[in-house]
Amino acid sequence: EDKVVQSPLSLVVHEGDTVTLNCSYEVTNFRSLLWYKQEKKAPTFLFMLTSSGIEKKSGRLSSILDKKELFSILNITATQTGDSAVYLCAVETDNYGQNFVFGPGTRLSVLP
Amino acid sequence: GAGVSQSPRYKVAKRGQDVALRCDPISGHVSLFWYQQALGQGPEFLTYFQNEAQLDKSGLPSDRFFAERPEGSVSTLKIQRTQQEDSAVYLCASSLSGYHEQYFGPGTRLTVT
Repeated sequence: EDKVVQSPLSLVVHEGDTVTLNCSYEVTNFRSLLWYKQEKKAPTFLFMLTSSGIEKKSGRLSSILDKKELFSILNITATQTGDSAVYLCAVETDNYGQNFVFGPGTRLSVLP
Repeated sequence: GAGVSQSPRYKVAKRGQDVALRCDPISGHVSLFWYQQALGQGPEFLTYFQNEAQLDKSGLPSDRFFAERPEGSVSTLKIQRTQQEDSAVYLCASSLSGYHEQYFGPGTRLTVT
């Protein structure tokens, strides 16, 4: 059974801290791994990762994929209160009819 | 435990056909959401139910899209007279209440030829 695990499930930090969110997966026919930020309604797409070892960066956020060890991390530096959200990791598969497997999310709370 | 399930998982439709996509939320979950996700992009909100009431349908792209949840559990997203631009993955999510901690289904990949 395909599975995506995220850790920690919940995290409370203060503004200015750096956080690392983890996502590990066990799926057949991996296609890509995606990170989302979810506040209200639709999750906001952050990154799509398909190749190992290539860091993707957007402002204070960065992410990297390790296809050998089957995990990804999402780093947020100099956190701000606006970073408070649930961060979802999802793996897209090539399995017939099985498109996305979502992790449970990490709830990040950034205190002023 | 049982998560959100969707069927069919994969659908190919000829342009002009009607399709119906089904979502079975987690039992007891009050809120149900539909999203459309085009290739390489994030999910776009379509519509939201609280029990059987459709509280927000602002994301439905045209009047060809219709969603219902008549008994407050299973939901169906219907697309009439499908067009090629409707090709996408349609994701369903449910939550116990409110907008947070949504649990996503595996999606239905619709391809319109």
